[in-house]
Amino acid sequence: EAQVTQNPRYLITVTGKKLTVTCSQNMNHEYMSWYRQDPGLGLRQIYYSMNVEVTDKGDVPEGYKVSRKEKRNFPLILESPSPNQTSLYFCASSTQGEPHEQYFGPGTRLTVT
Amino acid sequence: GQNIDQPTEMTATEGAIVQINCTYQTSGFNGLFWYQQHAGEAPTFLSYNVLDGLEEKGRFSSFLSRSKGYSYLLLKELQMKDSASYLCAAMDSNYQLIWGAGTKLIIKP
Repeated sequence: EAQVTQNPRYLITVTGKKLTVTCSQNMNHEYMSWYRQDPGLGLRQIYYSMNVEVTDKGDVPEGYKVSRKEKRNFPLILESPSPNQTSLYFCASSTQGEPHEQYFGPGTRLTVT
Repeated sequence: GQNIDQPTEMTATEGAIVQINCTYQTSGFNGLFWYQQHAGEAPTFLSYNVLDGLEEKGRFSSFLSRSKGYSYLLLKELQMKDSASYLCAAMDSNYQLIWGAGTKLIIKP
């Protein structure tokens, strides 16, 4: 089944404790992206990648890191999480090099205390 | 600056028709997307318009006017399962998506 998977789905952590949210797609998509979604603000892009070893900042990259060593995986790293990073996070992928029709993962709800 | 405007919330009756509007301002334009998002779930793709006019896909249609910076999503024969948020997103000249905050659609029996 064609899909985007994210892990974990739910995470409660404390300020400053490094964490990684994994994202994997099995559709051989070139474009992958991370978003955060907060009430009333819609989706905001954190980082995106147009292909392997190519990553770029989105609208809200501060406090986040990503890597794209393989086509299928695009992990999101929070080196020192803070409470303002409490949010719902979505990974997405797209067939083309640009963010065309995107397939979203199920989301990761992160709480930082 | 770049921005997307869409109503925060709309209410409609089961079986009726509803139109959700979206206006956009972007640096260049490479298309307009509509996504559906049920509460607690991921967004799913509904439509993509890059040329002026109406695109019909079953009960859902999407319209674009590039000269007016305007789009709408038309939902016909509303069903309870259509209760969701509808997200409008415009792609700018750098192929970056600018997302609206979403329109929450409430369907009443």
